This record gives sequence, structure tokens and C-alpha cells, in this order.
Amino acid sequence: SQTIHQWPATLVQPVGSPLSLECTVEGTSNPNLYWYRQAAGRGLQLLFYSVGIGQISSEVPQNLSASRPQDRQFILSSKKLLLSDSGFYLCAWSVGWLGGYTFGSGTRLTVV
Amino acid sequence: AQKVTQAQTEISVVEKEDVTLDCVYETRDTTYYLFWYKQPPSGELVFLIRRNSFDEQNEISGRYSWNFQKSTSSFNFTITASQVVDSAVYFCALSGANQAGTALIFGKGTTLSVSS
Repeated sequence: SQTIHQWPATLVQPVGSPLSLECTVEGTSNPNLYWYRQAAGRGLQLLFYSVGIGQISSEVPQNLSASRPQDRQFILSSKKLLLSDSGFYLCAWSVGWLGGYTFGSGTRLTVV
Repeated sequence: AQKVTQAQTEISVVEKEDVTLDCVYETRDTTYYLFWYKQPPSGELVFLIRRNSFDEQNEISGRYSWNFQKSTSSFNFTITASQVVDSAVYFCALSGANQAGTALIFGKGTTLSVSS
């Protein structure tokens, strides 16, 4: 079956520290992968998407970066976190666009 | 550019009331999909429905129903006889066939509070 794993579930990090959130997909090949962020009380904002290994498109310029080192692995990173990076981060995948989208359980990041 | 607007930020109803959540979208694609998701307090996104742009037939699933009208670019969601468990944030979303990555574009969400 197709599943998506996202960790950690919660994270508290000091300002200026690095960040690495990982997302892995099982049961499918060559998925489109996405990172979304939901700031407190706000909607879901698309941050990055990837259609293949090493292919990353950024939707919003910011303090974050993404990488796709393997077909089913998507990593969200930051070298130095800002307070404004706090939020709920969701990873998702789809196969083309005819299929649906599957979301991970999310990571709640608090930068202090 | 694609855009989804959910004008209602918050809605409060009493149990058993019917409630409609509005969604208006913008796209230049002729082929696209529309979605509704529910986000309970736990945070995960629960898929509710997907509708493609060629299917304007309204859909009913239990207490949920959806009204898709291309003429007004709207995809509204109605909950009949609301229950406390319906309390959540509801997102409308759009994806297009021509957009690289086919990412879902979300509205800002409507927070529904159902009181007993």
C-alpha cells in the first residue's frame, strides 16, 4: 500500500539553529512531492514541489530550501531558523495529477 | 494564475443546523480538479471530495453535499444537520493539468465551530 512518513511530529528549535525535516513515500515510484506550510491561523502555503530527483521548484522565496536526494525522499532544510519559520509543515505526494494527493501527518515547528 | 478564495473565515452554528461553506476559484486551465479537505484539531488533512472540471453533477455523501457551478466558478460545500464532530477547518483546493508539479493550491480555510 502507499504510505507517507513524515517526522518528527513536533519540534522546538532556537532561533538561528539549523532545520531538517524528512518525508519519505512508500509504495509508489516517481511521485510528485510537495512541502506546504501552515502558519498559525492561516491557510496552507505551497513552499516547494519536485517532479523528480534533484528537481526542486520554489514557490515562495524564504529562509528554507528543499532537496530530493532519492526518488521517494523529500527534505526541507534551513541553515538558520527565524521566528517566522514557526508553523505546521506538511509533506504530500501525488502521481501525476489524475490521482489524488496524500498528505503526511505533519510536523509542528516552534522556533523560540 | 490559479487562486482559491474562501471568503468565510469563521462560521459558528448550533448542532443540527445546516451550514454552507463557500469556495470560489480562478484558473485559466480548461481541465482542472477541485477538492475539499477537513483539518481537525489534530492537524492532519482529511480528504473529502475531488471533482474534475468536466463533471458538474452535484454530489451527496451522507450529510455532506457539494454544488459545483462552472458558470460562477464556485464549488460550495454543505453540511446538513451539523454535529459537534464537524468542528474543524475546511479547505477548498484546486489543481490544474497544465501546472508543473500539479501542486494543490489551497484557499485560506474556513473554521467551522459547531456547538451543542
